[in-house]
Amino acid sequence: QQQVKQSPQSLIVQKGGISIINCAYENTAFDYFPWYQQFPGKGPALLIAIRPDVSEKKEGRFTISFNKSAKQFSLHIMDSQPGDSATYFCAAISTPDSWGKLQFGAGTQVVVTP
Amino acid sequence: DTGVSQDPRHKITKRGQNVTFRCDPISEHNRLYWYRQTLGQGPEFLTYFQNEAQLEKSRLLSDRFSAERPKGSFSTLEIQRTEQGDSAMYLCASSHPGQQETQYFGPGTRLLVL
Repeated sequence: QQQVKQSPQSLIVQKGGISIINCAYENTAFDYFPWYQQFPGKGPALLIAIRPDVSEKKEGRFTISFNKSAKQFSLHIMDSQPGDSATYFCAAISTPDSWGKLQFGAGTQVVVTP
Repeated sequence: DTGVSQDPRHKITKRGQNVTFRCDPISEHNRLYWYRQTLGQGPEFLTYFQNEAQLEKSRLLSDRFSAERPKGSFSTLEIQRTEQGDSAMYLCASSHPGQQETQYFGPGTRLLVL
């Protein structure tokens, strides 16, 4: 039973375009929502993270939007570059009671065309 | 090197053999996690250590799997009597006492069971 649902499974975007990845969750105990970027053959790397008391967080070209009432959050990659081609995972954790167990979405493979 | 390291990076074994993987966390990180990632999926939690104590084990971790962290530093994950279904990427992550929710992943060990 996947606790974090992620969509789309894959997307293709032109260089300079915007990539949008969406995630939804059910467990209202989740209180920390990181996004990870993974290149083939590598481990996931933390990209950006948000807590539910904030509706938006921006770091460079990456922005997380968070809708607590809808239990949804999304990653926006602005001005997408070929080097952004990777698999992106959303995740969620309930820090008080889950002992650090991250629940991951299934991933979105992003391809940025030149 | 300040990152999480894992050894070996790749392992090919025959069904029924035992394998052992090693993870060295980032220095001063007291929590260490093991995840398993199959192709096209997000990482799934296996087990977690705080210092040398193993505090949680997923039901994914069958009796053939055992993990240790004898001195609260590096950790090993052993799979006995491997099965073809064990083929996956095994990821290790660690987190700092002051920021437990932020997990840093290693490059993973890719296991192929023939």
